[in-house]
Amino acid sequence: DIQMTQSPSTLSASIGDRVTITCRASQSISSWLAWYQQKPGKAPKLLIYKASTLQSGVPSRFSGSRSGTEFTLTISSLQPDDFATYYCQQYSSSLYTFGQGTKLEIK
Amino acid sequence: QLQLQESGPGLVKPSETLSLTCTVSGGGIRSGYYYWAWIRQPPGKGLEWIASRYSTGSSFFNPSLKSRVTISIDTSKNQFSLKLSSVTAADTATYYCARQQLLWFGDPDPDYFDYWGQGALITVSS
Repeated sequence: DIQMTQSPSTLSASIGDRVTITCRASQSISSWLAWYQQKPGKAPKLLIYKASTLQSGVPSRFSGSRSGTEFTLTISSLQPDDFATYYCQQYSSSLYTFGQGTKLEIK
Repeated sequence: QLQLQESGPGLVKPSETLSLTCTVSGGGIRSGYYYWAWIRQPPGKGLEWIASRYSTGSSFFNPSLKSRVTISIDTSKNQFSLKLSSVTAADTATYYCARQQLLWFGDPDPDYFDYWGQGALITVSS
């Protein structure tokens, strides 16, 4: 299995902050990575695919990047609607795996 | 706008079979550009992919669940279904159905999940 490790597990930030969440793959997955946002009681929402391609309708303050097996999700200026849990998911292997999640909290 | 909706009993007894159906509206399930998938999330925990299926029958399974999982598609009803046998308390979770993108028509390697149902909480308890 390809293991996806996110850091940090919890992140406290303020409105307007720039925040970065990291996801590391246990082996090469090229750029086959997606990011999701999940709010309590709701289904995950696709934000980014292929490491850096923004899904239609997602605000441009969200961006993704890759360096080797390390991937980052950046929110350039936090808005109240962004406080949620974020998951990465690899689709390099047909055993699709998710990171354990990063909870973004209001400071 | 594509919509997916899970349906099924909220409570299942241990050792029995969990059955869920996902009804797709706003798009055809027969489309060659997508797989259709099930993903679950235990209370307070992360996401676990269960299985994916193409309209022609090609399927992928999580090896940890494969022996207990059946996934099927009914194109006439625009629905797909999940059966999980011999359930235990560890199978208590919110179950989501989702559409899984392909890079091109008939691509054998599905990718990310772009549309999700709202989720169905299934509790395993006697």
